[in-house]
Amino acid sequence: QVQLQESGPGLVKPSQTLSLTCTVSGGSMDSGGYYWSWIRQRPGKGLEWIGFIYYSGSTYYNPSLKSRLTISIDTSKNQFSLKVRSVTAADTAVYYCARSPDSYDTSGLMGYWGQGTLVTVSS
Amino acid sequence: QSVLTQPPSASGTPGQRVTISCSGSSSNIGNNYVYWYQQVPGTAPKLLIQRNNQRPSGVPDRFSGSKSGTSASLAISGLRSEDEADYYCAAWDDSLSGHVVFGGGTKLTVL
Repeated sequence: QVQLQESGPGLVKPSQTLSLTCTVSGGSMDSGGYYWSWIRQRPGKGLEWIGFIYYSGSTYYNPSLKSRLTISIDTSKNQFSLKVRSVTAADTAVYYCARSPDSYDTSGLMGYWGQGTLVTVSS
Repeated sequence: QSVLTQPPSASGTPGQRVTISCSGSSSNIGNNYVYWYQQVPGTAPKLLIQRNNQRPSGVPDRFSGSKSGTSASLAISGLRSEDEADYYCAAWDDSLSGHVVFGGGTKLTVL
């Protein structure tokens, strides 16, 4: 059973870059066919899709965040990462990493989720 | 304002059948699969229904999904207290080069 774990600073200053890593266990990212996603949830609000990276390296981003985002993958470390530039208080949220349900699901939607990590943007 | 529209709340008594609706458009639900997630407050979302009506392994058959045109529904039969949670629908949207869209979520209360 695949497991995902987010890690990174819990506090980021305004205008700086938020950086998170998702470590995947229970399977190799090299096996292919999966979409690796980031989703966030602002306090008391609903889910917001940030973007995903396919195992080949191609990416899709939320159009409203695209200019500030980079998602990358390092299959040798079984990790993928998120960078959000020029953060403001509006980027304060629980950030989740996730994987597509199975290797033949080409929808880009999420099946397995990490437990989430709270990132607060504040000076 | 979410791209997919869900009622903000729903309720039922133990044993009842409850349905939660999700309305979209031709660029998302009308042309792509719908997924449903359950989120107990303070925990990560859990996949309940994939590809419109398929239950992942381990999800009770009390949960079922359906889709018609640009709308979808999640039905929960034999309602139990542990079903009290937030429920979200989601789908791929073909507009703007493609992206995932969520509903605003429905808070289900078991009375």
